[in-house]
Amino acid sequence: DSGVTQTPKHLITATGQRVTLRCSPRSGDLSVYWYQQSLDQGLQFLIQYYNGEERAKGNILERFSAQQFPDLHSELNLSSLELGDSALYFCASSVGGGGAGDTQYFGPGTRLTVL
Amino acid sequence: AQKITQTQPGMFVQEKEAVTLDCTYDTSDQSYGLFWYKQPSSGEMIFLIYQGSYDEQNATEGRYSLNFQKARKSANLVISASQLGDSAMYFCAMRDIDRGSTLGRLYFGRGTQLTVWP
Repeated sequence: DSGVTQTPKHLITATGQRVTLRCSPRSGDLSVYWYQQSLDQGLQFLIQYYNGEERAKGNILERFSAQQFPDLHSELNLSSLELGDSALYFCASSVGGGGAGDTQYFGPGTRLTVL
Repeated sequence: AQKITQTQPGMFVQEKEAVTLDCTYDTSDQSYGLFWYKQPSSGEMIFLIYQGSYDEQNATEGRYSLNFQKARKSANLVISASQLGDSAMYFCAMRDIDRGSTLGRLYFGRGTQLTVWP
């Protein structure tokens, strides 16, 4: 158990809908990262928050947004869902802001299926 | 350009034997970190080992060691005394101290599926 929690574990929804994925980082970690894992693209970095502020942005679609709250938990919002958004979404956390050795610990993931 | 290359889609090893999973990386930075993660069939990503670009010694964590060859830009994972529970997908990842908006992100390879047989 990494100490990172994600809810829900599974999510099944229809195209055009909106969903929210939730992540609680390990105690003491200030950074939260979101990744998407699909067969086509592999593991892709979406976005990072550090102590409530956006720190780095990757291949995140405009239909997707995220935020980190004062208690450091984070939510990833996915809207206007398409079939291609079906994937495993991971949240990871780390102590610092992303230095070379700042190890990221991953949550169990949320499996999103868009029908 | 692909930052991390794992050329072995699948590897097989007999229980109690050692196995090496290959990883090469591409960066122009001097400071970077290399990581290996394990993903069992249950789906979670488990951190295994870390190597910093300035570390002179190869990293070791129990049965895992990282064969770091900086000049060749390779960071191979060595698993000694393989166990049935080692069967999983293994990912190599890198973080380089980039400029601009990508600080903090990990770049992942496509993974190597390791199967340990009795």
